[in-house]
Amino acid sequence: NAGVMQNPRHLVRRRGQEARLRCSPMKGHSHVYWYRQLPEEGLKFMVYLQKENIIDESGMPKERFSAEFPKEGPSILRIQQVVRGDSAAYFCASSPQRGPALEAFFGQGTRLTVV
Amino acid sequence: SQQGEEDPQALSIQEGENATMNCSYKTSINNLQWYRQNSGRGLVHLILIRSNEREKHSGRLRVTLDTSKKSSSLLITASRAADTASYFCATLIGYSGAGSYQLTFGKGTKLSVIP
Repeated sequence: NAGVMQNPRHLVRRRGQEARLRCSPMKGHSHVYWYRQLPEEGLKFMVYLQKENIIDESGMPKERFSAEFPKEGPSILRIQQVVRGDSAAYFCASSPQRGPALEAFFGQGTRLTVV
Repeated sequence: SQQGEEDPQALSIQEGENATMNCSYKTSINNLQWYRQNSGRGLVHLILIRSNEREKHSGRLRVTLDTSKKSSSLLITASRAADTASYFCATLIGYSGAGSYQLTFGKGTKLSVIP
């Protein structure tokens, strides 16, 4: 059973370009979470999705950021018109269920560098 | 604002010594989890302790939880150089009205184990 797969591992974008980050959850997991980690910081929650539904996007910036988890295929975190401040590591986690027993499994992350 | 705050921010010990890291949080939780992150890598889940538990063991790890003080500690016994990493506590908070649960991370403790 492969773990949570994120790609690409490293992504370099020029200011103004779009960044698309992909996350394939563990087999059998239908809940996906995206987190952002700035250097020397902890992880900040961005968005929680189930298949075809956004459950909680309270941590997502209001503009330029969007996320989806289609019925088929990986979850996508999309950042439009990237700026230098978007440079960070973006982690995806998945879990088989939600609730008090939630235990999330993390991918290796995508390190986004905006130049 | 940060829910979990680890203390100390950095810890340096000799191989074979015990390492103790603390975590304080602000609101009621469903559970508290500890994760490890090696430099430039993803997060590895170490241990989960539920809000009605006081202590839990896993190998060389011992976690305590004091809900009256809203604090937890992670003890690593007989540390090894391979334990060098950042350690994060994460609290699970449920928003039952929205059916959403969030894992909220602290900034982490950077542990260095010197051979």
